[in-house]
Amino acid sequence: DAGVTQSPTHLIKTRGQQVTLRCSPKSGHDTVSWYQQALGQGPQFIFQYYEEEERQRGNFPDRFSGHQFPNYSSELNVNALLLGDSALYLCASSAGLTNGELFFGEGSRLTVL
Amino acid sequence: SQQGEEDPQALSIQEGENATMNCSYKTSINNLQWYRQNSGRGLVHLILIRSNEREKHSGRLRVTLDTSKKSSSLLITASRAADTASYFCATEDNFGNEKLTFGTGTRLTIIP
Repeated sequence: DAGVTQSPTHLIKTRGQQVTLRCSPKSGHDTVSWYQQALGQGPQFIFQYYEEEERQRGNFPDRFSGHQFPNYSSELNVNALLLGDSALYLCASSAGLTNGELFFGEGSRLTVL
Repeated sequence: SQQGEEDPQALSIQEGENATMNCSYKTSINNLQWYRQNSGRGLVHLILIRSNEREKHSGRLRVTLDTSKKSSSLLITASRAADTASYFCATEDNFGNEKLTFGTGTRLTIIP
């Protein structure tokens, strides 16, 4: 049973560019959440998708957008990259909206130069 | 923003000793969870305690929750080298928000 898979694992971009990160949830899960983790910090909630809709959003600007597909996989898009967007981006899946245990992927390490 | 903080920020102990980490939070919660993260990789769920529970055990883990003090503690007994990792508490508040708010983490090092 595959867990949460994320791609790419590492990527380097320059300021002003755009990036798309992808996530496939654990089998049987229909809810995907994205978190940003800066070096030395705890993860911060970006947004959550359920039934292909954004259900909840954290304190992130509109440059951060997402999408969920009918197969429950999800994308995170970040436009007009800033140096401060350098972080580990974590995808987590769960079954349903109620937060119980979250299953995390290994993350996508984004470096903005 | 972070919900709260873990204490201590870093902890080094000898293998076989017990490790205790504390977490404080700010708002009323529905549940509190502890996660482990190895070297900046994905997080692994350890244990969940609901707001109406005071203590919970899972293997070598013991979690306590004091909602009056808005604090929790994680005890790892008989530590092993493989327990070396960062530990985070995360809270789900009871305002209907469907998100987890993580603390700043405790970096635990087990010395063989």
